[in-house]
Amino acid sequence: IQLTQSPSSLSASVGDRVTITCRASQGISNFLAWYQQKPGKAPKLLIYTASNLQSGVPSRFSGSGSGTDFTLTISNLQPEDLATYYCQYVKSYPLTFGGGTKVEIK
Amino acid sequence: EEQLVESGGGLVQPGGSLRLSCAASGFTFSDHYMDWVRQAPGKGLEWVGRIRNEVNGYTTEYAASVKGRFIISRDDSKNSVYVQMNSLKTEDTAVYYCARRVDHGGDHEAFDIWGQGTMVTVSS
Repeated sequence: IQLTQSPSSLSASVGDRVTITCRASQGISNFLAWYQQKPGKAPKLLIYTASNLQSGVPSRFSGSGSGTDFTLTISNLQPEDLATYYCQYVKSYPLTFGGGTKVEIK
Repeated sequence: EEQLVESGGGLVQPGGSLRLSCAASGFTFSDHYMDWVRQAPGKGLEWVGRIRNEVNGYTTEYAASVKGRFIISRDDSKNSVYVQMNSLKTEDTAVYYCARRVDHGGDHEAFDIWGQGTMVTVSS
């Protein structure tokens, strides 16, 4: 399974709605997780099973999709959302990550 | 507080070996599968491998890039997981993270706790 994220980077303003796409090379049902990695830090789990918000994660983050096409949406972008976001296939080995999407704040 | 702390990183020559450790605290370590993920400088995340829990026989899985060179083990009495890295190559240079696998049921899982990472540099 290959995961392709787009765009590879984006720049948006505080308050914007941001959408990141993750496309799987074949259908993976909803076996997908999303992570946020801030500069110099370890990744942090945001979303599991494609659309379930991890405890403690702000509600402006949401995930959707099934099969081959998935999205991570950040509504009302905040300065602290500056980070790289990764999707991950979590059903069979290898547990592949997407290439990442770097989100910058204008 | 649930926490993972890696150690053991450093500079090693190509062909050499290194053993990384990851110490867990704040949760029942023995219940969980544990994984290693690495990140080369300026690059994305790469899953390295996994060790299952005792109930599942402590079995392991590896990425093709490290299979036959890396060995993942664990000591539940010490709440620790290890990766023994042999025949190291320059392309193994990366920050290595350990991560806890959480099972959400129905084979749905994710990595919900990560360590801070330890840097491994393979260079002559």
